Amino acid sequence: LAKTTQPISMDSYEGQEVNITCSHNNIATNDYITWYQQFPSQGPRFIIQGYKTKVTNEVASLFIPADRKSSTLSLPRVSLSDTAVYYCLVGAAMNRDDKIIFGKGTRLHILP
Amino acid sequence: DTAVSQTPKYLVTQMGNDKSIKCEQNLGHDTMYWYKQDSKKFLKIMFSYNNKELIINETVPNRFSPKSPDKAHLNLHINSLELGDSAVYFCASSFGLAPDNEQFFGPGTRLTVL
Repeated sequence: LAKTTQPISMDSYEGQEVNITCSHNNIATNDYITWYQQFPSQGPRFIIQGYKTKVTNEVASLFIPADRKSSTLSLPRVSLSDTAVYYCLVGAAMNRDDKIIFGKGTRLHILP
Repeated sequence: DTAVSQTPKYLVTQMGNDKSIKCEQNLGHDTMYWYKQDSKKFLKIMFSYNNKELIINETVPNRFSPKSPDKAHLNLHINSLELGDSAVYFCASSFGLAPDNEQFFGPGTRLTVL
């Protein structure tokens, strides 16, 4: 499983666009990139998943450059309720030796 | 209509005791997981079952024993509890194997060992 590196924490203000970048230099050909969100005292929740280029859903966008060695989760017009920990997960189930590693995540704090 | 449920939500017990945490999912998923999240918020996978078959068993003390009576249930039994076992334990499920497939997490069980 590709090791991931994310900023430990980020602060932003309501209404701003927030971009959280995850580095995964040794990503494998068949690896997917998945982001989860975790609020305090809750289990993680799936946000978005991608393989290459750009993926967008009603919650976020995921930008993946051609070399796939990094990815950026983009949250448009954040609100206070977006304060949470965001985890970047990289891997593929077919790589049976891989471990599912959530890492330390990025603690996003939205200020009023 | 809880998708993934765990019981109990809180568990406080003494060192040396044996305890179980139950997990049930009503999503029709074929894969279930147990994760441990410690005080530093690291979320680490412990076990994974696919169609009642153990497919992931991370470096976890053999005091921890998962049991899957059917595809909808994955229980975690812990023998001889230690202080270091204090953590939040999350159950999750997915249709197909993670990380490719979206995992749905339960609300967690906060275990405190005194």
